[in-house]
Amino acid sequence: DQQVKQNSPSLSVQEGRISILNCDYTNSMFDYFLWYKKYPAEGPTFLISISSIKDKNEDGRFTVFLNKSAKHLSLHIVPSQPGDSAVYFCAASDNQGGKLIFGQGTELSVKP
Amino acid sequence: NAGVTQTPKFQVLKTGQSMTLQCAQDMNHEYMSWYRQDPGMGLRLIHYSVGAGITDQGEVPNGYNVSRSTTEDFPLRLLSAAPSQTSVYFCASSNGGGVEETQYFGPGTRLLVL
Repeated sequence: DQQVKQNSPSLSVQEGRISILNCDYTNSMFDYFLWYKKYPAEGPTFLISISSIKDKNEDGRFTVFLNKSAKHLSLHIVPSQPGDSAVYFCAASDNQGGKLIFGQGTELSVKP
Repeated sequence: NAGVTQTPKFQVLKTGQSMTLQCAQDMNHEYMSWYRQDPGMGLRLIHYSVGAGITDQGEVPNGYNVSRSTTEDFPLRLLSAAPSQTSVYFCASSNGGGVEETQYFGPGTRLLVL
């Protein structure tokens, strides 16, 4: 049973436009959520996170929104740049160190 | 500060062979984890450790063993490799749970089992 789901395997946007990546989860015990970015042949790199006590966290061009009642989070990238092209994973933690549950990933392609 | 390092980068094994994937971190993190990445499956947790001498199973532990004798190192052992273990393996470390649960990943080990 997939506790964290990213239902869009891929997303293509034009440079300068907004990219919206979505993630749904089923476990109400999750209290911390993270987004990772991954380039081919590299390890995932941390992008942005949000605690369950917040509904929004912003860092430069990246904003994560959390809707606890819907068990849904989203990552907004504005404006999108070609260098943002990568696979994006959302992940969730239930406050037990060392354990992250990941979604399947969404491959973002930003076209010039 | 090298962060999380993994060796080897790439390995080919025959079915039934054993090997150890090495992982080390120099950030003095208490928590370390092993994940495997397969197409369409995201990253799945194999084993994790909350400190030296303490390990526990993740989502997909079968066929893998771990130990944690030091804070820095967390090797992953395949006792008898199977083609189903062909994957990319990532090691990660973090400071702790909750809001400290930002894990930092190594570059990965690509394993092919024939």
